[in-house]
Amino acid sequence: AQKITQTQPGMFVQEKEAVTLDCTYDTSDPSYGLFWYKQPSSGEMIFLIYQGSYDQQNATEGRYSLNFQKARKSANLVISASQLGDSAMYFCAMSRFKTGANNLFFGTGTRLTVIP
Amino acid sequence: EADIYQTPRYLVIGTGKKITLECSQTMGHDKMYWYQQDPGMELHLIHYSYGVNSTEKGDLSSESTVSRIRTEHFPLTLESARPSHTSQYLCASSEIGGGSDTQYFGPGTRLTVL
Repeated sequence: AQKITQTQPGMFVQEKEAVTLDCTYDTSDPSYGLFWYKQPSSGEMIFLIYQGSYDQQNATEGRYSLNFQKARKSANLVISASQLGDSAMYFCAMSRFKTGANNLFFGTGTRLTVIP
Repeated sequence: EADIYQTPRYLVIGTGKKITLECSQTMGHDKMYWYQQDPGMELHLIHYSYGVNSTEKGDLSSESTVSRIRTEHFPLTLESARPSHTSQYLCASSEIGGGSDTQYFGPGTRLTVL
């Protein structure tokens, strides 16, 4: 069974500093995808970044990077140069590379607060 | 940029009423999903669809039903709303549905059943 664990219920970061949000996962599937989503207080889920289990390099998207350590089953999100608008809930999610079974499994989220 | 819409954004309704939550996407995506999210909690998949006339139940059991008559439209219906249905409902879509396929979400509907 798939399981996503986010152990940090809340995190604080000073504006312009970098912050790492932790995510570990458990799966017996050899192929899977890892995603990070941002959920502001308005409620929508915003896709941030994706990492495939066979990707050799860590994914990056602007100020977001994913620190993928396959042996440790971790997929931490790094946000560089934090901005006030980064304050939100952040969810790590995993999907399976399996026909008809590509549903996302979500962690419980981390609430990030950026301090001016 | 995802073009997926949900209405209403907020709904307060009495017990026993029938409700339909609307979800539409203009991206031509084949696969669509409904998730349920309690405040401050993770999302749970309740329904998904591979395409027109295809619907499947998700990981979390739900009393709601869905239909997929048109590619762009995936409404969710509760025949008789109860307070236990109070939650946020998020609709999503993806192009192909493979493990690497990104799901794009709508803004959500916050449902309160009194």
